[in-house]
Amino acid sequence: AQTVTQSQPEMSVQEAETVTLSCTYDTSESDYYLFWYKQPPSRQMILVIRQEAYKQQNATENRFSVNFQKAAKSFSLKISDSQLGDAAMYFCAYRSAYYTGTASKLTFGTGTRLQVTL
Amino acid sequence: DVKVTQSSRYLVKRTGEKVFLECVQDMDHENMFWYRQDPGLGLRLIYFSYDVKMKEKGDIPEGYSVSREKKERFSLILESASTNQTSMYLCASSLWGQGQDTQYFGPGTRLTVL
Repeated sequence: AQTVTQSQPEMSVQEAETVTLSCTYDTSESDYYLFWYKQPPSRQMILVIRQEAYKQQNATENRFSVNFQKAAKSFSLKISDSQLGDAAMYFCAYRSAYYTGTASKLTFGTGTRLQVTL
Repeated sequence: DVKVTQSSRYLVKRTGEKVFLECVQDMDHENMFWYRQDPGLGLRLIYFSYDVKMKEKGDIPEGYSVSREKKERFSLILESASTNQTSMYLCASSLWGQGQDTQYFGPGTRLTVL
């Protein structure tokens, strides 16, 4: 079974600074997808960024980028130029590339709560 | 935009009551999911459905059942609510197929069982 570990329960960053959230995972599969989801306080969870394991290039979405190290099974999220609206719980998630039953489920980490200060 | 709605944001029930949580999505997604979210545990999958009347158990199905009679609607049922089912329940949906794996979440239902 796959596991996802987020070792930082809480992080804090000053506005306009850069912060990196860590995520490691364990799997025996070679093909999979990794995600970062954001859950703002009292608001719906939304997808921040997605990485396909067979792609060596790190995904980027505006101020959000990842550092995907497949051999190390590491998938960190970097937020540049942090804004107050980035304050949220961030979840790292893993999904098998196979499409049968619960193989298509997401396995989530325990989350990192990010605070953004002025 | 994909819209996933859940019937209640907050719900308070008594031990032993039968509880229905409903989820509706408007984008013709094949897959629908029910998760529960607890502090320090992240999100855990309860049940998953990949088509009408089709369902599969997730990681923590005990004490829950589901129903999917229409493609857009996925219900979570607590047959006899217990205090350890007090939690935040999140519904999600996604398309089926290669690359179509982004899950879209509803706002959540915070259930308290007294």
